[in-house]
Amino acid sequence: QVQLVESGGGVVQPGRSLRLSCAASGFTFSNFGMHWVRQAPGKGLEWVAVISYDGINKYYGDSVKGRFTISRDNSRNTLSLQMNSLRAEDTAVYYCAREGWLSATSFDYWGQGALVTVSS
Amino acid sequence: QSALTQPASVSGSPGQSITISCTGTSSDIGYYDYVSWYQQHPGKAPKLMIYTVNKRPSGVSNRFSGSKSGNTASLTISGLQAEDEGDYYCSSYTSSRTVFGTGTKVIVL
Repeated sequence: QVQLVESGGGVVQPGRSLRLSCAASGFTFSNFGMHWVRQAPGKGLEWVAVISYDGINKYYGDSVKGRFTISRDNSRNTLSLQMNSLRAEDTAVYYCAREGWLSATSFDYWGQGALVTVSS
Repeated sequence: QSALTQPASVSGSPGQSITISCTGTSSDIGYYDYVSWYQQHPGKAPKLMIYTVNKRPSGVSNRFSGSKSGNTASLTISGLQAEDEGDYYCSSYTSSRTVFGTGTKVIVL
């Protein structure tokens, strides 16, 4: 069965960096584009970034462009999100999500989420 | 990219039908037939309910249906059940990115 497990969340001071990882299993990771989606406490979903199946194409939401970097290691079935220059407004649960098998424009599997708290 | 607009809450009694709207622009919903809907229960990850406007993934009840007209998409839940209570989000593909809706809390009275 498909499993996505995020790790690396925690408390970090403003301006510092943090790296999230997402371990994928139960499917051929290298065949699917992958996304990061975040949700601030009590708020709605916000799309963060996407990376193509081969790691070549990457796109970012306006609020994180230039600060966050999405990457993947298909040999280790791992998705990553490097977050630099963190701000209080980056505080959120971060989900990794797989693009849909039937439609690449949807997200058919999600991880359980990793909480990132940016606070001094 | 601005969030798609959804009503903050929609309520209904068990057995009734409710509809959640999701309004975007001619650059997202109006341009692409790539609207998805997600259900989220408290403390849980979102679950895909509808993709490409009106298709249901395997395992999703046929009480859930989607449609689109112009810049507005809709999710209809028929035969409302207590387990349908939760938050619902629409999303649209747009120029290699995704935009989510503001979210709607469904309340089963």
